Amino acid sequence: GAVVSQHPSRVICKSGTSVKIECRSLDFQATTMFWYRQFPKQSLMLMATSNEGSKATYEQGVEKDKFLINHASLTLSTLTVTSAHPEDSSFYICSAVGLAGGWGTDTQYFGPGTRLTVL
Amino acid sequence: SQQGEEDPQALSIQEGENATMNCSYKTSINNLQWYRQNSGRGLVHLILIRSNEREKHSGRLRVTLDTSKKSSSLLITASRAADTASYFCATDAQGAQKLVFGQGTRLTINP
Repeated sequence: GAVVSQHPSRVICKSGTSVKIECRSLDFQATTMFWYRQFPKQSLMLMATSNEGSKATYEQGVEKDKFLINHASLTLSTLTVTSAHPEDSSFYICSAVGLAGGWGTDTQYFGPGTRLTVL
Repeated sequence: SQQGEEDPQALSIQEGENATMNCSYKTSINNLQWYRQNSGRGLVHLILIRSNEREKHSGRLRVTLDTSKKSSSLLITASRAADTASYFCATDAQGAQKLVFGQGTRLTINP
């Protein structure tokens, strides 16, 4: 099946620093990627939709200047948490949807997640 | 806001028994998907059922969809300890690609 990777898998940073998380589709091209946040024992909350070559679409209540998303190619999207604070500590998960005719275009394939801890 | 509601929130059964989880949603959908998440890990896609389908099988999994009641169920037969995980339903709200997840059911299979 389709594989999506995330890097890093775990990151600890000091308050006020910025952290970049990468999401890659390894064996298919993804026109659209999604970024989710998940707090402990809770469900996934969609943060933003990332489309290759265009600006990301953010969900209500998500600060676009704090969570910068760049979808530079059909296989890579990055999420940068700027000036991170302890309340940004969470599990961040990306997903990717394949091109028409490719891997399951109705199916989102999820990365393994990145656990961010802000001290 | 979250569209899907799942019940039960937690389910604990003995190995070999069947586990049933339910999901309800609020708006029209194109399809509904079920995912599994092991603790601290990413999501694994289990099965997708389209709005014009009523039942779908995949191995030990059986999913039903009742669009008139806006509900779905996931049945895992002959459960195994390895099935211990959280299970989420997700719908494509307003026909868009983005998914809205239910709150999830934490399933524990006791050996």
